[in-house]
Amino acid sequence: RKEVEQDPGPFNVPEGATVAFNCTYSNSASQSFFWYRQDCRKEPKLLMSVYSSGNEDGRFTAQLNRASQYISLLIRDSKLSDSATYLCVVVREGGGADGLTFGKGTHLIIQP
Amino acid sequence: GAVVSQHPSRVICKSGTSVKIECRSLDFQATTMFWYRQFPKKSLMLMATSNEGSKATYEQGVEKDKFLINHASLTLSTLTVTSAHPEDSSFYICSAMGTSGYEQYFGPGTRLTVT
Repeated sequence: RKEVEQDPGPFNVPEGATVAFNCTYSNSASQSFFWYRQDCRKEPKLLMSVYSSGNEDGRFTAQLNRASQYISLLIRDSKLSDSATYLCVVVREGGGADGLTFGKGTHLIIQP
Repeated sequence: GAVVSQHPSRVICKSGTSVKIECRSLDFQATTMFWYRQFPKKSLMLMATSNEGSKATYEQGVEKDKFLINHASLTLSTLTVTSAHPEDSSFYICSAMGTSGYEQYFGPGTRLTVT
């Protein structure tokens, strides 16, 4: 099983719709989780951290399910500008001083 | 947020030559920087962890003699791809660890093409 797995998509979603995707991780000792957004040929940018209690930032909601070892990202009222690749990121057991482990990303296309 | 720059943004070199990529943290000091590479339609993969004043820690499968990393100051890390081959063509991205100890700030990346 890969360390971090995501459905690569693409997810084609009409503008205004709600879309959600998951990411599974294999290391049960992982402590920190993030969602990054990467636009074509650009560097990844932090979208949001994922807390145990779940967290919301505007139209974006992130959840963590430790029992099933997955995190999720929900986007409400999707905008054209949300089209991007969303990378699930896990910090290895060693903590923040380690590099990040990235999933392959889920490609999201918002259609007008 | 914190700013990290990379130079050059794009480089084309001939097979057998060496290429140096610079990563700078512009408004903060970074004792730890990371180097990643990304092939087309693939995920970012960590290559090495660069610690200021000490040797870099390489991930399994990454040749340390081929990818030379130097972290001479708290704001600069360099990656030198030695004797580059076409299979080294990739998108190389650096990141710098923020003071929180968890957040990483990414540079804009360097696209290397080896002909």
